[in-house]
Amino acid sequence: ETGVTQTPRHLVMGMTNKKSLKCEQHLGHNAMYWYKQSAKKPLELMFVYSLEERVENNSVPSRFSPECPNSSHLFLHLHTLQPEDSALYLCASSQNTRDVYGYTFGSGTRLTVV
Amino acid sequence: QKEVEQNSGPLSVPEGAIASLNCTYSDRGSQSFFWYRQYSGKSPELIMSIYSNGDKEDGRFTAQLNKASQYVSLLIRDSQPSDSATYLCAVYNTGTASKLTFGTGTRLQVTL
Repeated sequence: ETGVTQTPRHLVMGMTNKKSLKCEQHLGHNAMYWYKQSAKKPLELMFVYSLEERVENNSVPSRFSPECPNSSHLFLHLHTLQPEDSALYLCASSQNTRDVYGYTFGSGTRLTVV
Repeated sequence: QKEVEQNSGPLSVPEGAIASLNCTYSDRGSQSFFWYRQYSGKSPELIMSIYSNGDKEDGRFTAQLNKASQYVSLLIRDSQPSDSATYLCAVYNTGTASKLTFGTGTRLQVTL
């Protein structure tokens, strides 16, 4: 256990469904991130939150909607996804957005869109 | 040009040998460099960080950085089957995007 917990571990959803991914960190960090990992592609940064405020959104389609109610919790709300959205979604946290010591990742949610 | 480039592999080395993993990056202003290990189906785990030119050793792992050549490498001595994983190179520039940029990773296979 890294101190960053993601649920669910696996998710299969239809293109018309609405679901949410949850991330919780117990490290006292102030920054949280959503990354997408697809086969044979680098980790793609999706969203960055610093002290519950979104500080970066890397041109992610609106079918992905993040929410950060407090510095320990991060959600990714999903609706009307496409099959190409199937991937491993990783949450990470760091002390702050200028933390040069690297990020701590959660175990990820393996998402399959059918 | 990709921001962080790695050979996807697989890199196959026999048990006990030295594994050499390489990474090049395009942003000359990058300041911090990391190696993450990712086992199949698991999340990335930070194993090494390096911030200045030269070598940094930690157990069987040695990270090497050459900022002039924009090159960072990871050496694994006495490779073990448990080292078989994908190794991700990540680069950080606090001055621009303030984010970690990852390579695609190199898959390492240590054979018996």
